Amino acid sequence: NAGVTQTPKFQVLKTGQSMTLQCAQDMNHEYMSWYRQDPGMGLRLIHYSVGAGITDQGEVPNGYNVSRSTTEDFPLRLLSAAPSQTSVYFCASNTGGGTQYFGPGTRLLVL
Amino acid sequence: EDQVTQSPEALRLQEGESSSLNCSYTVSGLRGLFWYRQDPGKGPEFLFTLYSAGEEKEKERLKATLTKKESFLHITAPKPEDSATYLCAVHYNQAGTALIFGKGTTLSVSS
Repeated sequence: NAGVTQTPKFQVLKTGQSMTLQCAQDMNHEYMSWYRQDPGMGLRLIHYSVGAGITDQGEVPNGYNVSRSTTEDFPLRLLSAAPSQTSVYFCASNTGGGTQYFGPGTRLLVL
Repeated sequence: EDQVTQSPEALRLQEGESSSLNCSYTVSGLRGLFWYRQDPGKGPEFLFTLYSAGEEKEKERLKATLTKKESFLHITAPKPEDSATYLCAVHYNQAGTALIFGKGTTLSVSS
């Protein structure tokens, strides 16, 4: 049971490039979320999903897209990277009771 | 206005010196309050969930308590390995399935 996995661990992008951050969970959780963590800002919700085919926006959704085609996977797409998107990104999953289990994170640097 | 406020931002203790971390919240319709531990370069690790005022949970040297407006994480006789950032988060009626996080308290315990 690997829990929540994220790839890559670290990525450097140039402004304007696109990329997808991968997230997978093997706990059969219906709910999955993406957060970003910035110094002095805490964890902020980007997008979340309450099940396959259902997604919604969080607090800071601009510049990001998500889709949920399976229960296991919840990729986060950066459409045109900007330096303001330099951050650490965490994926989380839960059963709906609130307790969320986090992945190890992806560190993204946009130059 | 922050919905979840943690204090202090940073705390330095000597090994064995007990203390408390505070998490105050202003949301209504609280469905759960969560404590997480985060080590540098890693994802948040779940510690406790509290659901109602008066509830207490314990794990080794940590004890979490909840009132109608705040939660405390008490650390008894801390050891250097307790050094980490402790995050508080709330799940409330208007937040869907996502959590609203405070900015964290960074604890350093020296021997």
